[in-house]
Amino acid sequence: SQQGEEDPQALSIQEGENATMNCSYKTSINNLQWYRQNSGRGLVHLILIRSNEREKHSGRLRVTLDTSKKSSSLLITASRAADTASYFCATTFRVGNTGKLIFGQGTTLQVKP
Amino acid sequence: DVKVTQSSRYLVKRTGEKVFLECVQDMDHENMFWYRQDPGLGLRLIYFSYDVKMKEKGDIPEGYSVSREKKERFSLILESASTNQTSMYLCASSRQGFISFGSGTRLTVV
Repeated sequence: SQQGEEDPQALSIQEGENATMNCSYKTSINNLQWYRQNSGRGLVHLILIRSNEREKHSGRLRVTLDTSKKSSSLLITASRAADTASYFCATTFRVGNTGKLIFGQGTTLQVKP
Repeated sequence: DVKVTQSSRYLVKRTGEKVFLECVQDMDHENMFWYRQDPGLGLRLIYFSYDVKMKEKGDIPEGYSVSREKKERFSLILESASTNQTSMYLCASSRQGFISFGSGTRLTVV
């Protein structure tokens, strides 16, 4: 399977703490993306990091990519209760004329107020 | 912002019924995708399409078919619904690696 794997599957922290989620994948990629999903809702794109980038920031989010280890991490700093959601990494493989997006199983984050 | 619209939020169908899940996007994206999401399994790709009338099988195409007659519309078809197809179905569209998702259709097959 080309599917990414995420770690941990579930994370529970106090408001104000940092949350770190990890993602590993199996084959070469064009880019890696992180998505957030609130309960029962669709996915919202958070950040994209290309295969030639090592780190990217967006607000309280920091994403790193290590292509030699085929892994990525998402750090949410100063977490808030509203950050409670499931977070997915997704990797893009080139298939013909399009990019096929493969998702990990997700990390469920609970931020306690 | 790209808008990806799935026609139904919740759907209940009987075993053996033919089911159509519709998805429309408004940003002229070439690529469209259908995923299903199940607890503990994450999102799994069923089918995707990179152009009108073009389709490619994803990881779990069995029991499904798709139709892309117009660029903006990508339909997922369950020829004969079964209880193991009870799931959340998510449609997405993309261009140049950036993907937008619909809100999902929760299908229950009884």
